Amino acid sequence: DMKVTQMPRYLIKRMGENVLLECGQDMSHETMYWYRQDPGLGLQLIYISYDVDSNSEGDIPKGYRVSRKKREHFSLILDSAKTNQTSVYFCASTGTPQNTLYFGAGTRLSVL
Amino acid sequence: QQQVRQSSQSLTVWEGETAILNCSYENSAFDYFPWYQQFPGEGPALLIAIRSVSDKKEDGRFTIFFNKREKNLSLHIKDSQPGDSATYFCAATANSGTYQRFGTGTKLQVVP
Repeated sequence: DMKVTQMPRYLIKRMGENVLLECGQDMSHETMYWYRQDPGLGLQLIYISYDVDSNSEGDIPKGYRVSRKKREHFSLILDSAKTNQTSVYFCASTGTPQNTLYFGAGTRLSVL
Repeated sequence: QQQVRQSSQSLTVWEGETAILNCSYENSAFDYFPWYQQFPGEGPALLIAIRSVSDKKEDGRFTIFFNKREKNLSLHIKDSQPGDSATYFCAATANSGTYQRFGTGTKLQVVP
């Protein structure tokens, strides 16, 4: 069905709490991404995963970590969330970097 | 640094006009340029893409014009419709690259 599913869609957390964002895809794509989107900044890459347990930092990895234990599932973890991590987070997957990126609908995270 | 630049943060056109969205890039190794369309509350979705061996790519009302020498490209939306109102992201990647780099986006409003 070519779908990327993100959970939850909306999340409110207090500063210092841990946050878990989850993403699943049904296309058997090897490569998955986490981006954040902020007004005026576009999409900034946080982490890339090339396959199970094969993850690399993107452009803004500080304050984040990821986990990929199954090819179809990719998690973003914020340990002790900060207010400047308030953003919309998008997960995406692709067969190759020069193919279409398929995005989820996003998770809107507010850290108070 | 911003490797892909979109000069306009926003653009307003009348229904029926041609909207022109501009994009430029720095890395000469970039050779694949997708444009993504994003509606509010949704993730970006591929609209149209071009490879650097071509100078034009057309798909219905959407056309990409590509100038390799000047390192810029533009997305033309002919006969703009209110339903085209969205944010458009230009992206780029190299054949040897690992991920697509995004511009900051242009928010297009088509006024009836």
